[in-house]
Amino acid sequence: DVKVTQSSRYLVKRTGEKVFLECVQDMDHENMFWYRQDPGLGLRLIYFSYDVKMKEKGDIPEGYSVSREKKERFSLILESASTNQTSMYLCASSFPLGGGSTDTQYFGPGTRLTVL
Amino acid sequence: GNSVTQMEGPVTLSEEAFLTINCTYTATGYPSLFWYVQYPGEGLQLLLKATKADDKGSNKGFEATYRKETTSFHLEKGSVQVSDSAVYFCALSDRGTGNQFYFGTGTSLTVIP
Repeated sequence: DVKVTQSSRYLVKRTGEKVFLECVQDMDHENMFWYRQDPGLGLRLIYFSYDVKMKEKGDIPEGYSVSREKKERFSLILESASTNQTSMYLCASSFPLGGGSTDTQYFGPGTRLTVL
Repeated sequence: GNSVTQMEGPVTLSEEAFLTINCTYTATGYPSLFWYVQYPGEGLQLLLKATKADDKGSNKGFEATYRKETTSFHLEKGSVQVSDSAVYFCALSDRGTGNQFYFGTGTSLTVIP
């Protein structure tokens, strides 16, 4: 089974702190994604990556950055956390188009971040 | 552009009732369509998918048919159980943008005994 793990299930930080959210997948997927989930808004894409050291902005990249130094790991960074970044953060991974048997995205359990 | 619209919830049903959650999409190409389920406190899990027109995805008693003519992918189950209580997300995968996903806003389902 595909496994996507996230470093924390719950996280509480203070305004202005630098926050790192880590995601690791064990299926050798090239693609990795970070979303945030908010009530009534569904999932919104923050950043994604198709390869090591590669990143692309999603729909809401402001206030976030990412790092992908190894294929299996994709980190989301909040340089200076703010209260409006309180949310559920979901990581996902997938094969590239034409690779593997499916274009399905596989999700981690999520990190619920509260910024005070 | 690409987008997904699904019926707003919350939906409350009695056990063994019939479930339909409507989903329609707009896409520039030929997307794959998905239903994901999120149980309380967990991440999203793939429920079913369909990759081309007229395909039917099915899993755990749930079904959805990819209807290109009506741009729809409605989720159905003939007899819901309490354990089906969750949030359901419709999504499409756009191959033209490198497998970027577009999600609906989610529909919360509560099944009461």
